Amino acid sequence: AQSVSQHNHHVILSEAASLELGCNYSYGGTVNLFWYVQYPGQHLQLLLKYFSGDPLVKGIKGFEAEFIKSKFSFNLRKPSVQWSDTAEYFCALGEQGGKLIFGQGTELSVKP
Amino acid sequence: DAGVIQSPRHEVTEMGQEVTLRCKPISGHNSLFWYRQTMMRGLELLIYFNNNVPIDDSGMPEDRFSAKMPNASFSTLKIQPSEPRDSAVYFCASRGGQANNQPQHFGDGTRLSIL
Repeated sequence: AQSVSQHNHHVILSEAASLELGCNYSYGGTVNLFWYVQYPGQHLQLLLKYFSGDPLVKGIKGFEAEFIKSKFSFNLRKPSVQWSDTAEYFCALGEQGGKLIFGQGTELSVKP
Repeated sequence: DAGVIQSPRHEVTEMGQEVTLRCKPISGHNSLFWYRQTMMRGLELLIYFNNNVPIDDSGMPEDRFSAKMPNASFSTLKIQPSEPRDSAVYFCASRGGQANNQPQHFGDGTRLSIL
């Protein structure tokens, strides 16, 4: 069965530190992968997506993610985080028919 | 552009009461999804529709939950009777096109508290 796993449940960083959030998926077909962000009290917003082509995908707010097929991974990165990046981050796998399978989410806290 | 619109934003009611959550998808989107978010279980897909037709309702927790999409611009999620364990944030999302790489767009959610 398809699944998405985010290993980091809560990450705490200081401003200007670099960020990498892990995401691994289990799926045998063509993958469509997404990262969403949920700021406190708000709805989920799309950060970036991958479905084909360049495995290094750039998204909004300076985020990027790299699709590594051999590792079944789609890790999210940002070279220098800001306090305003404090949020929960969800990795998701797109299934046939449009369903999204979400990971458990990673809560990021950035200390000013 | 108006995004996905959900109402109400907050609902507090007593157990046993009927609760109806509403969603207006983005105009032109043909897929609609209902999710529930809790601390314990994270984000769970309850049901989704393509072209107003329910495709997969395997996530609906029990018969107390029902969802309808009478037309392309409106959907409801109903809980009857409600129980305290139904307390959660309920999100509606919509998606346009048929390709699986199209992202879902989320509404602001309904925060439901059952006393």
